[in-house]
Amino acid sequence: EIVLTQSPATLSLSPGDSATLSCGASQNVERNFVAWYQQRPGLAPRLLIYDASRRPTNSPDRFSGSGSGTDFTLSISRLEPEDFAVYYCQQYGSPPFTFGPGTRVDMK
Amino acid sequence: QVQLQESGPGLVRPSETLSLTCSISAQSLSTGYQWAWIRQSPGKGLEWIGSTYRSDYTYYNPSFESRVTMSIDTSRQYFSLRLKSVTAADSAVYYCAVGFGSFDSWGQGTLVTVSS
Repeated sequence: EIVLTQSPATLSLSPGDSATLSCGASQNVERNFVAWYQQRPGLAPRLLIYDASRRPTNSPDRFSGSGSGTDFTLSISRLEPEDFAVYYCQQYGSPPFTFGPGTRVDMK
Repeated sequence: QVQLQESGPGLVRPSETLSLTCSISAQSLSTGYQWAWIRQSPGKGLEWIGSTYRSDYTYYNPSFESRVTMSIDTSRQYFSLRLKSVTAADSAVYYCAVGFGSFDSWGQGTLVTVSS
């Protein structure tokens, strides 16, 4: 099973700031099959990035993903008030699919 | 756009079987999507339980494999989860979700509490 770690656990920022969130895998993720999700309180996770760097049509362009192998990054430029949430990475390169523990982006 | 809705009892007794269904609207089940169950608890975060693919192939997380059954009813547009011999550790919000490995549509989630 691939174990995912995320850092930092919490990020305290202000609207308009940029954010960089990291996701590390215990082994190479096949075909860089990594996704990023945003979860707001009381809601289901929402897909932001898939295949490490591809953005669904309904994901704002201030979200971008990068990385390969075991190290992946989600970048958020110009934080909007609605971006303060928890972010999870997920690998689906090899079952069992696994999720990271999350990074909370708090408003400073 | 796929719309998903979970349903099932919110309270299950220990050692009994948890049964949930996910109804799907707006899209046929035979699109090649994976249909998955994922749960979320404060202690264990997000856990992928398993996926059903093409109506004839299902794979499970080994952590659940001895207790779980998933199935699709293509004619009635729903898929189901059965998790047997539940304990308090199975208390969680259960989501159904679809996608090609990443999950681009999720149900709203249903809270299941295991308690006597």
